[in-house]
Amino acid sequence: GEDVEQSLFLSVREGDSSVINCTYTDSSSTYLYWYKQEPGAGLQLLTYIFSNMDMKQDQRLTVLLNKKDKHLSLRIADTQTGDSAIYFCAESGGGSGNTGKLIFGQGTTLQVKP
Amino acid sequence: DAGVTQSPTHLIKTRGQQVTLRCSPISGHKSVSWYQQVLGQGPQFIFQYYEKEERGRGNFPDRFSARQFPNYSSELNVNALLLGDSALYLCASSSPAGGGTDTQYFGPGTRLTVL
Repeated sequence: GEDVEQSLFLSVREGDSSVINCTYTDSSSTYLYWYKQEPGAGLQLLTYIFSNMDMKQDQRLTVLLNKKDKHLSLRIADTQTGDSAIYFCAESGGGSGNTGKLIFGQGTTLQVKP
Repeated sequence: DAGVTQSPTHLIKTRGQQVTLRCSPISGHKSVSWYQQVLGQGPQFIFQYYEKEERGRGNFPDRFSARQFPNYSSELNVNALLLGDSALYLCASSSPAGGGTDTQYFGPGTRLTVL
């Protein structure tokens, strides 16, 4: 089946690094995504990684993918109070055909303390 | 450049009523997807439309329907509303290139409350 799991809450101090973890079950997923959601808002695409890559870096964001263990992580360097939000991991639903379906985890709430 | 736009931003309905939500994709994008996000959970896929054809459908009852217009905008209709339909409805647009990435960009959502 298709399932994405995330830890629910993470609290860090401003300036520290944050690591948000995600596990998924669909080994046929081609792309994995990280989205950010601030209160009352839609989802903002942060970054994505192709399934044949191990790592992708984009400014303060580093994505690590362990395809064998179906584990994805998002590291935010020098975390700021403006990074406080809910972070969603999503996989592109694989299987036959491309239905455009994204499967989301339940979200990790990141709290950044000054 | 304008992102994905949705209307209305908020909506209050009573049980049994019908609702229509609207979405305009990013200019040049031909695909629109709809998601339902219940409070405290991740978004759940409802539909994707590409070039006015339904490309994928999630596990939602037939009370949910959608369509896409020649200008690629889309409407989501929900009939016979239930209390459990209260949620944030998100629209996403993308420009799928064959079997490649279908990176989806989300709008701000429509908050539906069913009383």
